[in-house]
Amino acid sequence: DTEVTQTPKHLVMGMTNKKSLKCEQHMGHRAMYWYKQKAKKPPELMFVYSYEKLSINESVPSRFSPECPNSSLLNLHLHALQPEDSALYLCASSHAGTPGGLNTEAFFGQGTRLTVV
Amino acid sequence: AQKITQTQPGMFVQEKEAVTLDCTYDTSDPSYGLFWYKQPSSGEMIFLIYQGSYDQQNATEGRYSLNFQKARKSANLVISASQLGDSAMYFCAMREGGGFQKLVFGTGTRLLVSP
Repeated sequence: DTEVTQTPKHLVMGMTNKKSLKCEQHMGHRAMYWYKQKAKKPPELMFVYSYEKLSINESVPSRFSPECPNSSLLNLHLHALQPEDSALYLCASSHAGTPGGLNTEAFFGQGTRLTVV
Repeated sequence: AQKITQTQPGMFVQEKEAVTLDCTYDTSDPSYGLFWYKQPSSGEMIFLIYQGSYDQQNATEGRYSLNFQKARKSANLVISASQLGDSAMYFCAMREGGGFQKLVFGTGTRLLVSP
């Protein structure tokens, strides 16, 4: 099973709403990622979790709150978003290699297309 | 400074022909990995091929091969025998050092395969 599953596939939310994006993988990967991709742009890293601990936060605004409840699940909690936060949010997972260790690819989900109105 | 540069915003190729998508990179880290991903309109990023900085041979995966020229810092993707289903956005990405897949992506090349 080489799948990363993201739900929902589409989400429309108001600026005062609270919503969550979910991501699940069963490949035994211990690193999970959130990327944000604006239209016609490349993905940009937001957060990295390694062994269920937040390892990297790329200076993301606090209205985005990640959570990794276990090694298979990754959530992104959204609150008080702005219209400019509308984007495709991609989750990915990979082996959490040590420096000079495993060089394996990251597997991505299909993404959640988020529209903030 | 741009770490990954893809200079071709769009490429056209006829079915069954080969096509090369360009990618140059910039890093001072001796240990790095280079990846190519395909993104169809559905949105998911599909891994195609990987090249490590210490790999002696160019990577190949089916119809995909990577023309890795380390001294020139280029990692071009070659797709042989193009198919209509190859029409998509293609991203070159780099990971520096070991550990996490903290990927930095290029701006992408949109490939259109015509019958």
